[in-house]
Amino acid sequence: DIVMTQSPLSLPVTPGEPASISCRSSQSLLRSDGSNSLVWYLQKPGQSPQVLIYLGSNRASGVPDRFSGSGSGTDFTLKISRVEAEDVGVYYCMQALQTPLTFGGGTKVEIK
Amino acid sequence: EVQLVESGGDLVQPGGSLRLSCAASGFTLSSYWMHWVRQAPGKGLVWVSRINSDGSSIVYADSVKGRFTMSRDNAKNTLYLQMNSLRAEDTAVYYCARFRSGFLDVWGKGTTVTVSS
Repeated sequence: DIVMTQSPLSLPVTPGEPASISCRSSQSLLRSDGSNSLVWYLQKPGQSPQVLIYLGSNRASGVPDRFSGSGSGTDFTLKISRVEAEDVGVYYCMQALQTPLTFGGGTKVEIK
Repeated sequence: EVQLVESGGDLVQPGGSLRLSCAASGFTLSSYWMHWVRQAPGKGLVWVSRINSDGSSIVYADSVKGRFTMSRDNAKNTLYLQMNSLRAEDTAVYYCARFRSGFLDVWGKGTTVTVSS
């Protein structure tokens, strides 16, 4: 199974400031078409997960452009250019290259 | 509106059984591979199982293999998860999710399963 490791575990942020979350996979997530099978989700309190970024760097429909995904192979990063209060919750990375699909342990983002 | 609605969660004793349902609306279920993902209280997301479009290929997590059975009725636009020999560690919110373009793009709100005596 592919192991996904996220850091940090917790991320206190100041509104208006940038934030960054790291995700590392135990195997390369690079597909034959050159894309990476890496997805970022945000689970807001009391809600189900919502997709932010798919294929490593593609913003999902309706996701604000302050969210961006980068990286390739085994190392990935989610960046929020200017954090807003509505961005609080737990962020997960997930690999969709093979079953079992596996998730990172999550990064809890909270406002300072 | 594209939507998934899970139901069937309940309080059940260890060793008991439960069947979860996931009703799809706003899209044709038969066109998509579907997954179940669970989340224990206060914990992260864990993949449970996956079924292909016509139900001919199903894969399970090792932790549920031999106890859970995933199925689908495309005519009824409904997905199922039959859970037998339930254990305390199966206690979780169970989500069904649609797989599209390389990711789980639509998730239901989840249904809660509690295994306790």
